[in-house]
Amino acid sequence: GQSLEQPSEVTAVEGAIVQINCTYQTSGFYGLSWYQQHDGGAPTFLSYNALDGLEETGRFSSFLSRSDSYGYLLLQELQMKDSASYFCAVAGTGGFKTIFGAGTRLFVKA
Amino acid sequence: EAGVAQSPRYKIIEKRQSVAFWCNPISGHATLYWYQQILGQGPKLLIQFQNNGVVDDSQLPKDRFSAERLKGVDSTLKIQPAKLEDSAVYLCASSVTSLGVYNEQFFGPGTRLTVL
Repeated sequence: GQSLEQPSEVTAVEGAIVQINCTYQTSGFYGLSWYQQHDGGAPTFLSYNALDGLEETGRFSSFLSRSDSYGYLLLQELQMKDSASYFCAVAGTGGFKTIFGAGTRLFVKA
Repeated sequence: EAGVAQSPRYKIIEKRQSVAFWCNPISGHATLYWYQQILGQGPKLLIQFQNNGVVDDSQLPKDRFSAERLKGVDSTLKIQPAKLEDSAVYLCASSVTSLGVYNEQFFGPGTRLTVL
């Protein structure tokens, strides 16, 4: 079967750095993506890792280790607007079929 | 460019009734997805189309759910008959299709379905 595990909630202070981990188990794997979703909103794409290593996009970075079936999303210089749910998603075989994790709810405090 | 359009935005029905959702993807996006998102959970893929062909529908409850994408553009998702557990947000997404390359998915605003 396929499964993804990520923490249900994370709380951090404005201006701090937070890391959201994701471990996955899947029969086919092309890469790991991250999506952000604010309450009542639609998911929006943040990043995608197909190869091992770190990808940086502004304040957000994403890391992948294929050998460990593990990845993380790193958010720097946290802002209040970063309070949202963050989903890791595996892109698998069959036209990059996407399986989403249950999501991590990030609370940013002043 | 215009985003993914969905309608209706909200729908309330009684169990055993039928309901249909409509999605218009971003122009030029060959791949279209329907997801079900229950409150507090991640999106669950129901069906994935590439043009008007089905790529994956392994998690679509085919006894009550159906979906079509005529002419490879707009798509409709139907539930007949609805059950209480179908209460969820139904998200449509689309992406450019490139061989061997993952492309980000663009999501519509979703349809919030409440089954009473």
